[in-house]
Amino acid sequence: GESVGLHLPTLSVQEGDNSIINCAYSNSASDYFIWYKQESGKGPQFIIDIRSNMDKRQGQRVTVLLNKTVKHLSLQIAATQPGDSAVYFCAESLYNQGGKLIFGQGTELSVKP
Amino acid sequence: EAQVTQNPRYLITVTGKKLTVTCSQNMNHEYMSWYRQDPGLGLRQIYYSMNVEVTDKGDVPEGYKVSRKEKRNFPLILESPSPNQTSLYFCASRPVGNQPQHFGDGTRLSIL
Repeated sequence: GESVGLHLPTLSVQEGDNSIINCAYSNSASDYFIWYKQESGKGPQFIIDIRSNMDKRQGQRVTVLLNKTVKHLSLQIAATQPGDSAVYFCAESLYNQGGKLIFGQGTELSVKP
Repeated sequence: EAQVTQNPRYLITVTGKKLTVTCSQNMNHEYMSWYRQDPGLGLRQIYYSMNVEVTDKGDVPEGYKVSRKEKRNFPLILESPSPNQTSLYFCASRPVGNQPQHFGDGTRLSIL
Protein backbone atom coordinates (compact mmCIF):
# COMPACT_ATOMS: atom_id res chain seq x y z
CA GLY A 1 0.00 0.00 0.00
CA GLU A 2 0.96 3.65 -0.10
CA SER A 3 3.28 5.02 2.55
CA VAL A 4 1.83 7.64 4.84
CA GLY A 5 3.77 10.87 4.54
CA LEU A 6 3.81 14.00 6.58
CA HIS A 7 0.81 16.24 6.21
CA LEU A 8 1.57 19.52 4.52
CA PRO A 9 0.95 22.77 6.38
CA THR A 10 -2.43 24.06 5.33
CA LEU A 11 -3.70 27.59 4.95
CA SER A 12 -7.43 28.06 4.65
CA VAL A 13 -8.78 31.44 3.53
CA GLN A 14 -12.08 32.93 2.46
CA GLU A 15 -12.51 33.89 -1.17
CA GLY A 16 -11.56 37.52 -1.62
CA ASP A 17 -9.21 37.65 1.34
CA ASN A 18 -5.45 38.05 0.98
CA SER A 19 -3.23 35.01 1.53
CA ILE A 20 0.30 34.94 2.88
CA ILE A 21 2.39 31.81 2.50
CA ASN A 22 5.72 31.66 4.28
CA CYS A 23 8.91 29.77 3.58
CA ALA A 24 12.23 29.46 5.37
CA TYR A 25 15.18 28.67 3.12
CA SER A 26 18.33 26.91 4.14
CA ASN A 27 21.38 28.37 2.42
CA SER A 28 22.53 31.93 3.02
CA ALA A 29 24.47 31.76 -0.29
CA SER A 30 21.33 31.12 -2.36
CA ASP A 31 20.96 33.87 -4.95
CA TYR A 32 17.69 33.15 -6.68
CA PHE A 33 14.27 32.18 -5.37
CA ILE A 34 11.14 30.94 -7.06
CA TRP A 35 7.56 30.28 -6.05
CA TYR A 36 5.70 27.44 -7.75
CA LYS A 37 2.05 26.40 -7.67
CA GLN A 38 1.13 22.75 -8.04
CA GLU A 39 -2.42 21.67 -8.76
CA SER A 40 -3.53 18.08 -8.40
CA GLY A 41 -2.29 15.93 -11.28
CA LYS A 42 -0.04 18.61 -12.70
CA GLY A 43 3.55 19.68 -12.54
CA PRO A 44 4.79 22.71 -10.60
CA GLN A 45 3.87 25.92 -12.39
CA PHE A 46 6.05 29.04 -12.13
CA ILE A 47 4.40 31.97 -10.33
CA ILE A 48 7.06 34.54 -9.55
CA ASP A 49 10.78 34.77 -8.86
CA ILE A 50 13.15 37.13 -7.07
CA ARG A 51 16.90 37.59 -7.09
CA SER A 52 18.92 38.08 -3.94
CA ASN A 53 19.67 41.72 -4.75
CA MET A 54 15.98 42.54 -4.31
CA ASP A 55 13.68 42.38 -1.30
CA LYS A 56 10.32 42.69 -3.02
CA ARG A 57 8.85 41.89 -6.40
CA GLN A 58 5.29 42.23 -7.59
CA GLY A 59 3.36 40.39 -10.24
CA GLN A 60 -0.28 40.20 -11.11
CA ARG A 61 -2.06 39.68 -7.74
CA VAL A 62 1.11 38.19 -6.26
CA THR A 63 4.00 39.72 -4.34
CA VAL A 64 7.14 38.00 -3.14
CA LEU A 65 9.10 39.35 -0.18
CA LEU A 66 12.65 38.28 0.61
CA ASN A 67 14.31 38.77 3.98
CA LYS A 68 17.90 37.60 3.68
CA THR A 69 18.72 38.43 7.29
CA VAL A 70 16.45 35.70 8.59
CA LYS A 71 16.41 33.59 5.40
CA HIS A 72 12.70 34.00 4.91
CA LEU A 73 10.55 34.21 1.81
CA SER A 74 6.86 34.96 1.59
CA LEU A 75 4.25 34.88 -1.14
CA GLN A 76 1.27 37.21 -0.88
CA ILE A 77 -1.78 36.56 -3.02
CA ALA A 78 -4.29 39.40 -3.23
CA ALA A 79 -8.03 38.77 -3.48
CA THR A 80 -7.62 35.00 -3.32
CA GLN A 81 -9.85 33.04 -5.66
CA PRO A 82 -11.01 29.38 -5.65
CA GLY A 83 -8.68 28.76 -8.59
CA ASP A 84 -5.75 29.62 -6.33
CA SER A 85 -6.36 26.44 -4.31
CA ALA A 86 -3.20 24.35 -4.74
CA VAL A 87 0.07 23.43 -3.07
CA TYR A 88 2.64 26.23 -3.13
CA PHE A 89 6.38 25.56 -3.04
CA CYS A 90 9.25 27.91 -2.57
CA ALA A 91 12.59 26.95 -4.12
CA GLU A 92 16.07 28.35 -3.65
CA SER A 93 18.83 28.15 -6.21
CA LEU A 94 22.59 28.36 -6.08
CA TYR A 95 23.97 29.45 -9.43
CA ASN A 96 27.45 28.17 -8.60
CA GLN A 97 25.98 24.70 -8.05
CA GLY A 98 24.57 24.46 -11.53
CA GLY A 99 21.43 26.31 -10.59
CA LYS A 100 20.08 23.35 -8.68
CA LEU A 101 16.70 23.99 -7.09
CA ILE A 102 16.14 23.07 -3.46
CA PHE A 103 12.43 22.88 -2.73
CA GLY A 104 10.59 23.54 0.47
CA GLN A 105 7.99 21.05 1.65
CA GLY A 106 5.07 23.09 0.40
CA THR A 107 1.94 24.67 1.82
CA GLU A 108 -1.55 23.66 0.81
CA LEU A 109 -3.81 26.63 0.18
CA SER A 110 -7.54 26.02 0.45
CA VAL A 111 -9.91 28.78 -0.64
CA LYS A 112 -13.45 28.66 0.71
CA PRO A 113 -16.12 30.20 -1.54
CA GLU B 1 2.98 26.19 -27.25
CA ALA B 2 6.09 26.10 -25.06
CA GLN B 3 6.07 22.90 -23.07
CA VAL B 4 7.87 20.00 -21.46
CA THR B 5 6.36 16.67 -22.48
CA GLN B 6 6.80 13.46 -20.55
CA ASN B 7 5.78 9.96 -21.58
CA PRO B 8 4.24 7.83 -20.34
CA ARG B 9 2.07 9.68 -17.82
CA TYR B 10 1.33 6.50 -15.91
CA LEU B 11 3.08 3.14 -15.79
CA ILE B 12 2.67 0.04 -13.66
CA THR B 13 5.43 -2.49 -14.09
CA VAL B 14 7.34 -5.20 -12.25
CA THR B 15 10.67 -5.33 -10.48
CA GLY B 16 13.64 -5.73 -12.78
CA LYS B 17 11.96 -4.84 -16.07
CA LYS B 18 13.92 -2.02 -17.69
CA LEU B 19 11.94 1.10 -18.47
CA THR B 20 12.53 4.52 -19.98
CA VAL B 21 10.60 7.70 -19.31
CA THR B 22 11.01 10.19 -22.12
CA CYS B 23 11.18 13.95 -21.74
CA SER B 24 11.16 16.46 -24.54
CA GLN B 25 11.14 20.28 -24.50
CA ASN B 26 10.47 22.64 -27.40
CA MET B 27 11.97 25.80 -25.89
CA ASN B 28 15.61 25.22 -26.94
CA HIS B 29 16.62 25.17 -23.27
CA GLU B 30 20.16 24.19 -22.38
CA TYR B 31 19.39 22.90 -18.87
CA MET B 32 17.22 19.88 -18.16
CA SER B 33 16.58 18.00 -14.96
CA TRP B 34 14.70 15.08 -13.43
CA TYR B 35 13.00 15.13 -10.03
CA ARG B 36 11.03 12.67 -8.00
CA GLN B 37 8.26 13.72 -5.66
CA ASP B 38 7.38 11.64 -2.62
CA PRO B 39 4.98 12.39 0.27
CA GLY B 40 6.82 14.04 3.13
CA LEU B 41 10.06 14.31 1.13
CA GLY B 42 9.08 16.91 -1.43
CA LEU B 43 10.81 17.25 -4.79
CA ARG B 44 14.31 15.83 -5.00
CA GLN B 45 16.66 16.10 -7.95
CA ILE B 46 17.80 12.85 -9.57
CA TYR B 47 20.02 14.01 -12.45
CA TYR B 48 20.54 17.16 -14.43
CA SER B 49 22.14 18.22 -17.68
CA MET B 50 23.69 21.60 -18.44
CA ASN B 51 23.81 20.92 -22.18
CA VAL B 52 24.16 18.18 -24.80
CA GLU B 53 26.46 15.36 -23.63
CA VAL B 54 26.84 16.99 -20.18
CA THR B 55 25.04 15.24 -17.32
CA ASP B 56 25.58 15.16 -13.58
CA LYS B 57 24.13 13.54 -10.48
CA GLY B 58 21.57 15.23 -8.32
CA ASP B 59 20.69 14.28 -4.77
CA VAL B 60 19.16 10.84 -5.39
CA PRO B 61 20.81 9.33 -8.51
CA GLU B 62 21.06 5.69 -7.35
CA GLY B 63 19.20 3.30 -9.63
CA TYR B 64 18.78 5.81 -12.46
CA LYS B 65 20.58 6.70 -15.67
CA VAL B 66 20.12 9.57 -18.09
CA SER B 67 21.43 10.61 -21.47
CA ARG B 68 21.48 13.89 -23.39
CA LYS B 69 22.28 13.16 -27.00
CA GLU B 70 20.07 15.94 -28.33
CA LYS B 71 19.23 19.30 -26.81
CA ARG B 72 15.48 18.71 -26.69
CA ASN B 73 15.45 15.20 -25.15
CA PHE B 74 16.48 13.97 -21.72
CA PRO B 75 15.27 10.40 -21.07
CA LEU B 76 15.31 8.83 -17.62
CA ILE B 77 16.29 5.16 -17.59
CA LEU B 78 15.61 2.64 -14.85
CA GLU B 79 17.74 -0.38 -15.76
CA SER B 80 16.38 -2.63 -13.02
CA PRO B 81 13.45 -0.92 -11.30
CA SER B 82 12.69 -1.71 -7.68
CA PRO B 83 9.61 -0.94 -5.54
CA ASN B 84 11.39 1.95 -3.78
CA GLN B 85 11.40 3.75 -7.13
CA THR B 86 7.62 3.94 -7.07
CA SER B 87 7.09 7.68 -7.21
CA LEU B 88 5.89 10.68 -9.19
CA TYR B 89 8.57 11.89 -11.59
CA PHE B 90 8.97 15.33 -13.14
CA CYS B 91 11.18 16.57 -15.92
CA ALA B 92 12.05 20.26 -16.10
CA SER B 93 14.02 22.60 -18.33
CA ARG B 94 15.26 26.17 -18.31
CA PRO B 95 17.55 28.44 -20.32
CA VAL B 96 21.09 29.33 -19.22
CA GLY B 97 21.33 31.48 -16.11
CA ASN B 98 19.07 32.19 -13.18
CA GLN B 99 15.74 31.47 -14.83
CA PRO B 100 12.74 29.48 -13.60
CA GLN B 101 12.54 25.84 -14.53
CA HIS B 102 9.50 24.74 -16.54
CA PHE B 103 8.03 21.42 -15.50
CA GLY B 104 6.23 18.66 -17.33
CA ASP B 105 2.99 17.23 -15.97
CA GLY B 106 4.64 14.23 -14.37
CA THR B 107 4.92 10.47 -14.75
CA ARG B 108 3.49 8.26 -12.06
CA LEU B 109 5.49 5.03 -11.82
CA SER B 110 4.42 2.02 -9.79
CA ILE B 111 6.96 -0.78 -9.47
CA LEU B 112 5.43 -3.99 -8.12
